[in-house]
Amino acid sequence: NAGVMQNPRHLVRRRGQEARLRCSPMKGHSHVYWYRQLPEEGLKFMVYLQKENIIDESGMPKERFSAEFPKEGPSILRIQQVVRGDSAAYFCASSPGTGALATEAFFGQGTRLTVV
Amino acid sequence: SQQGEEDPQALSIQEGENATMNCSYKTSINNLQWYRQNSGRGLVHLILIRSNEGDKHRGTLRDTLDTSKKSSSLLITASRAADTASYFCATDDYGQNFVFGPGTRLSVLP
Repeated sequence: NAGVMQNPRHLVRRRGQEARLRCSPMKGHSHVYWYRQLPEEGLKFMVYLQKENIIDESGMPKERFSAEFPKEGPSILRIQQVVRGDSAAYFCASSPGTGALATEAFFGQGTRLTVV
Repeated sequence: SQQGEEDPQALSIQEGENATMNCSYKTSINNLQWYRQNSGRGLVHLILIRSNEGDKHRGTLRDTLDTSKKSSSLLITASRAADTASYFCATDDYGQNFVFGPGTRLSVLP
């Protein structure tokens, strides 16, 4: 059972370009979370998705950022018109569920976005 | 709002010593988890403790949870240089996401 797969591992974009980050959850997991980690800081929640639904996007910037988790295929975090401040590591995690059935979340290795 | 807050922010010890990291949170939780992050790598799950568990062991790790104080302590016994990493606590507050603290940076000196 492969772990959470994120790609690319490293992504360089020029200011104004679009960045697409992909996350394939573990097999059987239908919950996906995206986190952003700025240098020397902890993880900050961005968005929580289940298949085809955004459950909580309270951590997403209002503009330029969007996320999806289609019925088929990986979850995508999309950043339009990137700026230097978007440079960070973006981590994806998946879990089978929350609440009383919660187990640990499994994390990917992250995508390190550098905006030049 | 920040849920889990680790303390201290940074900790430096000698190999063989014990390391203790604390995590405080604000609201009721279903469970609390600890993760490790080596420099430049992803997060690795270490241990999960449920709200009705006071104490949990896993290898050299010991996690204690005091729900009355809304705090947890992670103890690494007989630390090694390989334990050098950042450690994060994350809480599941019956809500819909895991909330992480800013982390404790542990340095174990040989």
